[in-house]
Amino acid sequence: SQKIEQNSEALNIQEGKTATLTCNYTNYSPAYLQWYRQDPGRGPVFLLLIRENEKEKRKERLKVTFDTTLKQSLFHITASQPADSATYLCALDPTDSWGKLQFGAGTQVVVTP
Amino acid sequence: EAQVTQNPRYLITVTGKKLTVTCSQNMNHEYMSWYRQDPGLGLRQIYYSMNVEVTDKGDVPEGYKVSRKEKRNFPLILESPSPNQTSLYFCASSLGRAASPLHFGNGTRLTVT
Repeated sequence: SQKIEQNSEALNIQEGKTATLTCNYTNYSPAYLQWYRQDPGRGPVFLLLIRENEKEKRKERLKVTFDTTLKQSLFHITASQPADSATYLCALDPTDSWGKLQFGAGTQVVVTP
Repeated sequence: EAQVTQNPRYLITVTGKKLTVTCSQNMNHEYMSWYRQDPGLGLRQIYYSMNVEVTDKGDVPEGYKVSRKEKRNFPLILESPSPNQTSLYFCASSLGRAASPLHFGNGTRLTVT
């Protein structure tokens, strides 16, 4: 069966350090992968999309990599700030079935001053 | 302001009493979707709609109905709610092309007693 796995343990990190989150998937052949941020009690907010032919994508202090051989995406927050504290979700569509975007359970990041 | 609006934000009801959660978007988006979010399970898709009068089941459609009579509205109907439908519900919309990012509403917290 298809599965998207993110580390369920919260990532505690000191301000200024780089946070690295992992998204592993099985039984998908995604053309792209998306990352979202979710704050408590709020809806997810889109951050970045990376396509299968892109190895890396950057947006300000965020960097995403996509390795279709390892079936893994890494999400990096560089120079982390307390305002980066949130839950981060990865998402992808099942093969040949866009519109059914499926999400990992998310990883909580806590950045302490 | 571009947004997805859900109502109500909080709802407490009793088993078997029909309810509707409304969702409206002002971005002229083709695609709309409903998700439920439960601790440890992440976001799971209930139903989605590619366009007016076109709806399809997601991963957990049982016990729910939707309709898409107008482009901007996509209500979620629980004909006979049960306690296992207690959850946080999110409506989302997008342009309707593959890889289009989702715009989420702020959620409806439903409790069924």
